[in-house]
Amino acid sequence: EVQLVESGGGLVQPGGSLRLSCVTSGFIFSTYSINWVRQAPGKGLEWVAYISSSGSTMYYADSVKGRFTISRDNAKNSLFLQMNTLRAEDTAVYFCARGDLRVFDIWGQGTLVIVSS
Amino acid sequence: EIVLTQSPGTLSLSPGERATLSCRASQSISSTYLVWYQQRPGQAPKLLIYGASSRATGIPDRFSGSGSGTDFTLTISRLEPEDFAVYYCQQGKTFGQGTKVEIK
Repeated sequence: EVQLVESGGGLVQPGGSLRLSCVTSGFIFSTYSINWVRQAPGKGLEWVAYISSSGSTMYYADSVKGRFTISRDNAKNSLFLQMNTLRAEDTAVYFCARGDLRVFDIWGQGTLVIVSS
Repeated sequence: EIVLTQSPGTLSLSPGERATLSCRASQSISSTYLVWYQQRPGQAPKLLIYGASSRATGIPDRFSGSGSGTDFTLTISRLEPEDFAVYYCQQGKTFGQGTKVEIK
């Protein structure tokens, strides 16, 4: 069964940092590009970041560029999102989603990040 | 940057009724890149339709997608109880704001 499982969310103060992880199974991780997508409470979906299968290409939403870094470890079937200089508006459920920028075919269950003092 | 506008914001229907959801792009897009997702409360989004009209694996045939250019439609022919959810269209990095299908 194809699975993506996020972790690492929690409560963090404004200006703080957090590192999210997404551990995958059931498919050949190294052959797929992966994305982070977030959803603020009661709001819609917002694409955050993309990384190619090899990890050589990354894209970011303007709202997080320069603060967030996406990375992956193909040996450990894992994806990461390093989030620095967090703001209240970064509060959201963060999903990892398999796929290129055309279709996200498999999603994790999400991890909640709350940025508050 | 392309903007996707979904309408209506909320659709109130009864089980067994037909649902028609609209997604309008601010400029013409290739239907290859138009995708629909379903999100039930407390769950992750689920891929329904890709390439504007192709159903994802395991998606029942009561779901259909159509459209081209700037106007795209998701149709649910007969609503089942599990279909009451929020539906999002997507093109690349951009999502629509969603349409909630609620029980009337």
